[in-house]
Amino acid sequence: NAGVTQTPKFQVLKTGQSMTLQCAQDMNHEYMSWYRQDPGMGLRLIHYSVGAGITDQGEVPNGYNVSRSTTEDFPLRLLSAAPSQTSVYFCASSYQPGGGNTIYFGEGSWLTVV
Amino acid sequence: AQKVTQAQTEISVVEKEDVTLDCVYETRDTTYYLFWYKQPPSGELVFLIRRNSFDEQNEISGRYSWNFQKSTSSFNFTITASQVVDSAVYFCALRRAGGTSYGKLTFGQGTILTVHP
Repeated sequence: NAGVTQTPKFQVLKTGQSMTLQCAQDMNHEYMSWYRQDPGMGLRLIHYSVGAGITDQGEVPNGYNVSRSTTEDFPLRLLSAAPSQTSVYFCASSYQPGGGNTIYFGEGSWLTVV
Repeated sequence: AQKVTQAQTEISVVEKEDVTLDCVYETRDTTYYLFWYKQPPSGELVFLIRRNSFDEQNEISGRYSWNFQKSTSSFNFTITASQVVDSAVYFCALRRAGGTSYGKLTFGQGTILTVHP
């Protein structure tokens, strides 16, 4: 059981480049989320999904797109990276139907935009 | 709107000292969940505890204990006889109960704990 897998772990981008942070879970969880962590601000919710085909915005969605075509995958897209998007990104999943509601986090992706 | 405040930005202690990390929250909900996570230098988030708003019993797990006081909207975390391995960033978080709220956590700013040998 791999849990929540994020790739890549480290990435350096130039301003204006695009990229996708991948997130996959193998726990049949319905709910998946993306957070960003910045110094002194804790983790803030970017986007959220309650199931395949359903996404919603969190606290800081600007500059990011998401889609949820399958239950397992929830990629986060940066269409035109900006230095303000330099951060650590965490993917999380939770809620297995009929099971518990523990929230599982990936190991994080460190993104630097220069 | 929900809010979690961890007023202590950084705490430094010497090994074997007891240390308490404060967490104060704001919510209009009557039913909610509170969490503590540990983020060691390696960067991953480690789940420590989940407490629902109906359960005000304090909890002890080894050297860790949690004091939940609904009357003061606080959920404080105490480490007894601290060790160097306790050095980490600790986050308190809040989640609404039910509905589409699974996985939508509101985090505090985090407290950096450094335990010196």
